[in-house]
Amino acid sequence: NAGVMQNPRHLVRRRGQEARLRCSPMKGHSHVYWYRQLPEEGLKFMVYLQKENIIDESGMPKERFSAEFPKEGPSILRIQQVVRGDSAAYFCASSPTGTYEKLFFGSGTQLSVL
Amino acid sequence: EDKVVQSPLSLVVHEGDTVTLNCSYEVTNFRSLLWYKQEKKAPTFLFMLTSSGIEKKSGRLSSILDKKELFSILNITATQTGDSAIYLCAVRGNTPLVFGKGTRLSVIA
Repeated sequence: NAGVMQNPRHLVRRRGQEARLRCSPMKGHSHVYWYRQLPEEGLKFMVYLQKENIIDESGMPKERFSAEFPKEGPSILRIQQVVRGDSAAYFCASSPTGTYEKLFFGSGTQLSVL
Repeated sequence: EDKVVQSPLSLVVHEGDTVTLNCSYEVTNFRSLLWYKQEKKAPTFLFMLTSSGIEKKSGRLSSILDKKELFSILNITATQTGDSAIYLCAVRGNTPLVFGKGTRLSVIA
């Protein structure tokens, strides 16, 4: 009865490199949400996806960030040419229905950009 | 823009104390308010509230919503060290869940 699985737990990148964060939703859940948490800040919505579709990306920075949720495999949040300001905890959540409510969160990926 | 403000930002209490955490919000087309507990990393779901005046209870935790005054409180009675965590409030309107900054609760023995 695995929950939302995220990997890696910690990721260190140098400025200019790419970061790939993975998220496998809970079994039976087909809706995935990505949130970012900066130190002493609340969780900020980034993007909401269903299988093969981006439903809402209103919180996603326009450049360097992309997300996908393919038919097979985990959801991927990709950050190209990382900068120090990208350092944060990135959380993935899933839900059985697309109501945005009662989200089940993973343990997050802590991204550190050197 | 939807907004959630939690207070206090941090709180230190002794075991056995009762605490009240506050959450006020501004949201377009309110649908629900949720409370989460964040220990170490993953936020875990506590309550979802949609109607005013109906208390939700789970053990020593309880929560209530006031849709007229736009706030919610989370009460924890007989606190234990295991209650130490960040408590997050979130609201759902027309947009995905909007979270407050959280209240960091520390319970000392």
